[in-house]
Amino acid sequence: GENVEQHPSTLSVQEGDSAVIKCTYSDSASNYFPWYKQELGKGPQLIIDIRSNVGEKKDQRIAVTLNKTAKHFSLHITETQPEDSAVYFCAASPTNTGNQFYFGTGTSLTVIP
Amino acid sequence: DAGVTQSPTHLIKTRGQQVTLRCSPKSGHDTVSWYQQALGQGPQFIFQYYEEEERQRGNFPDRFSGHQFPNYSSELNVNALLLGDSALYLCASKRRGADIQYFGAGTRLSVL
Repeated sequence: GENVEQHPSTLSVQEGDSAVIKCTYSDSASNYFPWYKQELGKGPQLIIDIRSNVGEKKDQRIAVTLNKTAKHFSLHITETQPEDSAVYFCAASPTNTGNQFYFGTGTSLTVIP
Repeated sequence: DAGVTQSPTHLIKTRGQQVTLRCSPKSGHDTVSWYQQALGQGPQFIFQYYEEEERQRGNFPDRFSGHQFPNYSSELNVNALLLGDSALYLCASKRRGADIQYFGAGTRLSVL
């Protein structure tokens, strides 16, 4: 089955700096890659997603890039703010699993004011 | 428009007991998936329901079972609870054929 690895596990940045989180996947059948933000005591919230026919997608301060050949995708957050502090999860969804999501192990992001 | 709602929010059980968790999907969604999230880990897929049948299943034992009702709401049942079943149980819903899934806040299960 699919295996998703995520790095780093923890990340601290100064407010206003950029943060980058990287994920790799193993199954070439994966074609949908969402990113979720999870705050303490809450469920995961979708922040951005990308499909395998697109190399990059941007939404204000958040962007995601996908390299299908290398099987890796990354989340980029620019101009970080304290409210960006949370745990971020990447996921991959193979076409032949009915949209089952395989999640990474998460990155705890701390933005220092 | 209410999002995905789950009940209860917290639950404490002892080993060997049985538990039922409930989920109401987001309005307009007909597909429900359940995930288990252990502390410090990413969610792991348990199973997915649509048209009142289990369609996909992850690597979980038969002690984990579910049900979907005609109004698309769903239940997750776990029998013979083990200490290792302590986790946050998340429900996610979507429209069939869509990629995007929306998660509820989860039920925190503690097994003592």
